[in-house]
Amino acid sequence: DTAVSQTPKYLVTQMGNDKSIKCEQNLGHDTMYWYKQDSKKFLKIMFSYNNKELIINETVPNRFSPKSPDKAHLNLHINSLELGDSAVYFCASSQVDSDYNEQFFGPGTRLTVL
Amino acid sequence: AQSVTQLGSHVSVSEGALVLLRCNYSSSVPPYLFWYVQYPNQGLQLLLKYTSAATLVKGINGFEAEFKKSETSFHLTKPSAHMSDAAEYFCAVSRAGANSKLTFGKGITLSVRP
Repeated sequence: DTAVSQTPKYLVTQMGNDKSIKCEQNLGHDTMYWYKQDSKKFLKIMFSYNNKELIINETVPNRFSPKSPDKAHLNLHINSLELGDSAVYFCASSQVDSDYNEQFFGPGTRLTVL
Repeated sequence: AQSVTQLGSHVSVSEGALVLLRCNYSSSVPPYLFWYVQYPNQGLQLLLKYTSAATLVKGINGFEAEFKKSETSFHLTKPSAHMSDAAEYFCAVSRAGANSKLTFGKGITLSVRP
């Protein structure tokens, strides 16, 4: 069984479009995250949700809107896509009251904006 | 505040040689430290983690890392490199709590020569 899954795996779209990436975890964790990996492979936190509440919003443009309908899902909606949004987006989850708050990552969604 | 420094962007070793990937961290509170590996076009896989239980941590695939508080380091080693170890390696730091996040270093590409 896949612990953290993301759809789609690849997403190619035109500038100006709106797109969504979905993430689901079946680990029973209470916290979910979105990370962005840029073309230089640098990984940076974007958002985190704990029990459906936004905890971290790391100065991400408001074109990016995360939504957590329940603890097992965290979706990322992006409006008015720009060339610079091209990246790999990783979803992760963790249980914050665990001993070391280990985060489990999904396989990533490669977004290409043309 | 927390940060991770991984010096250099590329390390090349011969098959069977020692692998040493350096990581230095900065954290205002006792840290949790992690090494992740990313194979080409894949997601992040946890190699090992430091959670204060033991300073020498053994991980998967023969890797280990030693936490040295006095040097604020958490270097990754493997006695004998294998061709299959060729990948991108990321050191990361986090801490306890609901607003915890993983802060990654910029990553190091490991190449293994036959």
